[in-house]
Amino acid sequence: AIQLTQSPSSLSASVGDRVTITCRASQGISSALAWYQQKPGKAPKLLIYDASSLESGVPSRFSGSGSGTDFTLTISSLQPEDFATYYCQQFNSYPRTFGQGTKVEIK
Amino acid sequence: QVQLVESGGGVVQPGGSLRLSCAASGFTFSSYGMHWVRQAPGKGLEWVAFIRYDGSNKYYADSVKGRFTISRDNSKNTLYLQMNSLRAEDTAVYYCAKERYFDWPDAFDIWGQGTMVTVSS
Repeated sequence: AIQLTQSPSSLSASVGDRVTITCRASQGISSALAWYQQKPGKAPKLLIYDASSLESGVPSRFSGSGSGTDFTLTISSLQPEDFATYYCQQFNSYPRTFGQGTKVEIK
Repeated sequence: QVQLVESGGGVVQPGGSLRLSCAASGFTFSSYGMHWVRQAPGKGLEWVAFIRYDGSNKYYADSVKGRFTISRDNSKNTLYLQMNSLRAEDTAVYYCAKERYFDWPDAFDIWGQGTMVTVSS
């Protein structure tokens, strides 16, 4: 199974900060990577698919990049509603796997 | 609107069985692959199972293979997860999720609200 390792596991940031989360795959997955946002008690929400494509309705401050084994989710200017946990997921092969999550907290 | 609504969760004893349902509306259910994903309390997301749009292909996580069965009834716009031989480690919120693109590996663009399964004596 392909393992996804996210870093950091958690971070503290202030409103307006630029935030970067990385996801490393244990083997190449081309661009078959998605990013999700999850708030407590809620279902995950798709932010980015195909490593860098913004899902409809998602604010443009979210962006994704990378291919192969190394990927990045960037929030250009953190907003109060962005405090949540973020997961990467690969859809290159089965079993589908998720990263362990990155919790973004208020500084 | 496009939505998925899970049901069937509850408390079950170890070794017991439970069947989850996921009712779809607002999109052509029969055209999309569907997944089950679970999340143990305080933990991350774990993919559980996939079924192709027509039911012809199914995949499972090793942790549930041989115990769980995914199925669908396209005439009823409903996805199912039959869970047998349940263990304490199966305790989680179970989400159904729709694949974003027709018959092609893709991200999950629509998720249900989740249903809680607790395995405890």
